[in-house]
Amino acid sequence: EDQVTQSPEALRLQEGESSSLNCSYTVSGLRGLFWYRQDPGKGPEFLFTLYSAGEEKEKERLKATLTKKESFLHITAPKPEDSATYLCAVLLHTGGFKTIFGAGTRLFVKA
Amino acid sequence: DSGVTQTPKHLITATGQRVTLRCSPRSGDLSVYWYQQSLDQGLQFLIQYYNGEERAKGNILERFSAQQFPDLHSELNLSSLELGDSALYFCASSVGTRDEKLFFGSGTQLSVL
Repeated sequence: EDQVTQSPEALRLQEGESSSLNCSYTVSGLRGLFWYRQDPGKGPEFLFTLYSAGEEKEKERLKATLTKKESFLHITAPKPEDSATYLCAVLLHTGGFKTIFGAGTRLFVKA
Repeated sequence: DSGVTQTPKHLITATGQRVTLRCSPRSGDLSVYWYQQSLDQGLQFLIQYYNGEERAKGNILERFSAQQFPDLHSELNLSSLELGDSALYFCASSVGTRDEKLFFGSGTQLSVL
Protein backbone atom coordinates (compact mmCIF):
# COMPACT_ATOMS: atom_id res chain seq x y z
CA GLU A 1 0.00 0.00 0.00
CA ASP A 2 1.25 3.47 -0.89
CA GLN A 3 2.25 5.37 2.20
CA VAL A 4 3.63 8.81 3.04
CA THR A 5 4.95 9.41 6.56
CA GLN A 6 6.03 12.75 7.96
CA SER A 7 8.10 13.28 11.07
CA PRO A 8 8.10 14.72 13.58
CA GLU A 9 4.38 15.31 14.12
CA ALA A 10 5.19 18.59 15.83
CA LEU A 11 8.35 20.64 16.17
CA ARG A 12 9.00 23.56 18.47
CA LEU A 13 11.92 25.83 17.64
CA GLN A 14 13.35 29.04 18.94
CA GLU A 15 13.69 31.82 16.43
CA GLY A 16 16.95 31.30 14.55
CA GLU A 17 17.20 27.58 15.45
CA SER A 18 17.58 25.68 12.17
CA SER A 19 16.09 22.21 11.73
CA SER A 20 14.70 19.73 9.21
CA LEU A 21 11.36 18.08 8.57
CA ASN A 22 11.25 14.60 7.10
CA CYS A 23 8.91 13.00 4.57
CA SER A 24 9.47 9.32 3.84
CA TYR A 25 7.47 7.37 1.30
CA THR A 26 6.79 3.82 0.19
CA VAL A 27 5.00 4.11 -3.11
CA SER A 28 4.82 2.78 -6.64
CA GLY A 29 4.92 4.97 -9.71
CA LEU A 30 6.34 8.14 -8.13
CA ARG A 31 6.17 11.06 -10.53
CA GLY A 32 6.88 13.93 -8.16
CA LEU A 33 6.97 15.10 -4.57
CA PHE A 34 5.43 18.32 -3.32
CA TRP A 35 5.72 20.44 -0.22
CA TYR A 36 2.82 22.62 0.89
CA ARG A 37 2.41 25.04 3.78
CA GLN A 38 -0.92 25.26 5.59
CA ASP A 39 -1.87 28.01 8.02
CA PRO A 40 -4.72 27.44 10.50
CA GLY A 41 -8.13 27.74 8.86
CA LYS A 42 -6.67 28.05 5.37
CA GLY A 43 -6.02 25.79 2.43
CA PRO A 44 -2.55 24.39 1.71
CA GLU A 45 -0.25 26.69 -0.23
CA PHE A 46 2.19 25.23 -2.75
CA LEU A 47 5.89 25.56 -1.93
CA PHE A 48 7.99 23.17 -4.05
CA THR A 49 7.92 20.32 -6.54
CA LEU A 50 10.79 17.83 -6.73
CA TYR A 51 10.99 15.27 -9.51
CA SER A 52 14.20 13.30 -9.15
CA ALA A 53 16.65 12.13 -6.50
CA GLY A 54 19.33 14.73 -5.84
CA GLU A 55 17.12 17.63 -6.80
CA GLU A 56 16.99 20.67 -4.49
CA LYS A 57 14.72 23.73 -4.42
CA GLU A 58 15.04 26.85 -2.28
CA LYS A 59 12.72 29.64 -1.27
CA GLU A 60 13.75 32.18 1.34
CA ARG A 61 14.55 30.21 4.52
CA LEU A 62 13.29 26.90 3.12
CA LYS A 63 15.17 24.29 1.14
CA ALA A 64 13.67 21.02 -0.05
CA THR A 65 15.74 18.00 -1.02
CA LEU A 66 14.84 14.61 -2.42
CA THR A 67 16.37 11.14 -2.24
CA LYS A 68 14.98 7.85 -3.51
CA LYS A 69 13.19 7.14 -0.23
CA GLU A 70 12.59 10.49 1.43
CA SER A 71 12.52 14.24 1.24
CA PHE A 72 13.67 16.85 3.70
CA LEU A 73 12.46 20.37 4.23
CA HIS A 74 15.29 22.32 5.80
CA ILE A 75 14.41 25.51 7.64
CA THR A 76 17.30 27.88 8.19
CA ALA A 77 17.10 30.52 10.95
CA PRO A 78 13.32 30.31 11.19
CA LYS A 79 11.13 33.23 12.20
CA PRO A 80 7.78 33.16 14.05
CA GLU A 81 5.98 33.73 10.74
CA ASP A 82 7.27 30.35 9.55
CA SER A 83 4.95 28.70 12.09
CA ALA A 84 2.52 26.53 10.14
CA THR A 85 1.79 22.94 9.21
CA TYR A 86 4.02 21.65 6.43
CA LEU A 87 2.52 18.96 4.23
CA CYS A 88 4.36 16.57 1.98
CA ALA A 89 2.55 14.97 -0.95
CA VAL A 90 3.52 12.46 -3.63
CA LEU A 91 2.18 12.33 -7.16
CA LEU A 92 1.75 8.78 -8.37
CA HIS A 93 1.00 7.35 -11.77
CA THR A 94 -0.59 3.92 -11.52
CA GLY A 95 -3.09 3.82 -14.34
CA GLY A 96 -4.10 7.37 -13.61
CA PHE A 97 -2.54 10.17 -11.60
CA LYS A 98 -3.24 10.58 -7.91
CA THR A 99 -1.77 12.61 -5.07
CA ILE A 100 -1.33 11.25 -1.55
CA PHE A 101 -0.68 13.65 1.31
CA GLY A 102 1.22 12.98 4.49
CA ALA A 103 -0.29 13.94 7.85
CA GLY A 104 1.95 16.98 8.14
CA THR A 105 4.41 18.45 10.63
CA ARG A 106 3.18 21.29 12.82
CA LEU A 107 5.98 23.80 13.25
CA PHE A 108 5.98 26.33 16.06
CA VAL A 109 8.68 29.02 16.08
CA LYS A 110 8.97 31.07 19.22
CA ALA A 111 10.42 34.58 19.25
CA ASP B 1 -5.19 34.56 -2.50
CA SER B 2 -5.08 31.30 -4.51
CA GLY B 3 -7.85 32.33 -6.89
CA VAL B 4 -10.00 29.34 -5.88
CA THR B 5 -13.31 30.33 -4.29
CA GLN B 6 -15.28 28.10 -1.98
CA THR B 7 -18.67 28.75 -0.46
CA PRO B 8 -19.95 28.67 2.17
CA LYS B 9 -17.07 29.07 4.63
CA HIS B 10 -19.02 27.46 7.44
CA LEU B 11 -21.95 25.09 7.43
CA ILE B 12 -23.79 23.74 10.44
CA THR B 13 -26.42 21.09 9.92
CA ALA B 14 -28.03 18.07 11.54
CA THR B 15 -27.56 14.36 11.00
CA GLY B 16 -29.50 12.96 8.07
CA GLN B 17 -29.50 16.24 6.18
CA ARG B 18 -28.09 17.05 2.73
CA VAL B 19 -25.73 19.91 1.89
CA THR B 20 -24.03 21.28 -1.20
CA LEU B 21 -20.55 22.79 -1.23
CA ARG B 22 -19.54 25.00 -4.10
CA CYS B 23 -16.17 25.68 -5.71
CA SER B 24 -15.01 28.04 -8.46
CA PRO B 25 -11.55 27.16 -9.79
CA ARG B 26 -8.81 29.60 -10.77
CA SER B 27 -9.31 31.23 -14.11
CA GLY B 28 -7.93 28.92 -16.79
CA ASP B 29 -7.79 25.80 -14.62
CA LEU B 30 -9.73 22.85 -16.01
CA SER B 31 -9.29 20.37 -13.16
CA VAL B 32 -11.12 20.52 -9.85
CA TYR B 33 -10.32 18.30 -6.89
CA TRP B 34 -12.19 17.75 -3.65
CA TYR B 35 -10.40 16.86 -0.42
CA GLN B 36 -11.61 16.15 3.08
CA GLN B 37 -9.45 17.10 6.06
CA SER B 38 -10.15 15.91 9.56
CA LEU B 39 -7.92 15.86 12.63
CA ASP B 40 -7.48 12.11 12.66
CA GLN B 41 -7.35 11.44 8.90
CA GLY B 42 -5.33 14.27 7.44
CA LEU B 43 -6.00 15.41 3.89
CA GLN B 44 -7.94 12.73 2.01
CA PHE B 45 -8.59 12.87 -1.73
CA LEU B 46 -12.25 12.46 -2.67
CA ILE B 47 -12.69 13.05 -6.38
CA GLN B 48 -11.31 14.88 -9.41
CA TYR B 49 -13.07 16.39 -12.42
CA TYR B 50 -11.43 17.59 -15.60
CA ASN B 51 -13.35 19.79 -18.00
CA GLY B 52 -16.68 18.43 -16.84
CA GLU B 53 -15.81 14.77 -16.66
CA GLU B 54 -14.92 12.63 -13.67
CA ARG B 55 -11.22 11.82 -13.85
CA ALA B 56 -10.27 10.07 -10.64
CA LYS B 57 -11.95 8.80 -7.54
CA GLY B 58 -10.49 8.47 -4.08
CA ASN B 59 -12.06 7.60 -0.76
CA ILE B 60 -15.44 9.09 -1.55
CA LEU B 61 -18.46 7.63 0.17
CA GLU B 62 -21.51 6.57 -1.84
CA ARG B 63 -23.50 9.21 0.09
CA PHE B 64 -21.28 11.86 -1.49
CA SER B 65 -21.40 12.97 -5.11
CA ALA B 66 -19.89 15.74 -7.17
CA GLN B 67 -20.14 17.33 -10.57
CA GLN B 68 -18.40 19.95 -12.64
CA PHE B 69 -20.51 22.27 -14.72
CA PRO B 70 -19.82 23.75 -18.20
CA ASP B 71 -18.55 26.98 -16.60
CA LEU B 72 -16.08 24.72 -14.70
CA HIS B 73 -17.40 25.41 -11.24
CA SER B 74 -17.97 22.30 -9.15
CA GLU B 75 -20.35 21.20 -6.45
CA LEU B 76 -19.89 18.52 -3.82
CA ASN B 77 -23.13 17.05 -2.51
CA LEU B 78 -23.13 15.33 0.85
CA SER B 79 -26.27 13.46 1.87
CA SER B 80 -27.56 11.44 4.83
CA LEU B 81 -24.99 13.26 6.91
CA GLU B 82 -23.43 11.60 9.91
CA LEU B 83 -21.50 13.05 12.83
CA GLY B 84 -18.30 11.64 11.35
CA ASP B 85 -18.72 13.73 8.22
CA SER B 86 -17.79 16.83 10.19
CA ALA B 87 -14.57 18.06 8.63
CA LEU B 88 -12.95 20.74 6.55
CA TYR B 89 -13.67 20.24 2.85
CA PHE B 90 -11.22 21.73 0.40
CA CYS B 91 -11.49 22.31 -3.27
CA ALA B 92 -8.33 22.62 -5.35
CA SER B 93 -7.72 23.34 -9.01
CA SER B 94 -4.96 22.84 -11.53
CA VAL B 95 -4.40 23.55 -15.19
CA GLY B 96 -4.25 19.97 -16.43
CA THR B 97 -5.08 16.46 -15.35
CA ARG B 98 -1.89 15.50 -13.58
CA ASP B 99 -2.74 17.41 -10.36
CA GLU B 100 0.65 19.02 -10.18
CA LYS B 101 0.87 22.23 -8.19
CA LEU B 102 -2.61 22.33 -6.76
CA PHE B 103 -4.18 25.64 -5.77
CA PHE B 104 -6.46 25.26 -2.78
CA GLY B 105 -9.44 27.26 -1.68
CA SER B 106 -9.97 28.31 1.92
CA GLY B 107 -12.27 25.39 2.59
CA THR B 108 -15.76 24.81 3.96
CA GLN B 109 -15.96 23.86 7.60
CA LEU B 110 -18.84 21.40 7.95
CA SER B 111 -20.24 20.68 11.38
CA VAL B 112 -22.84 17.94 11.68
CA LEU B 113 -24.68 18.07 14.99
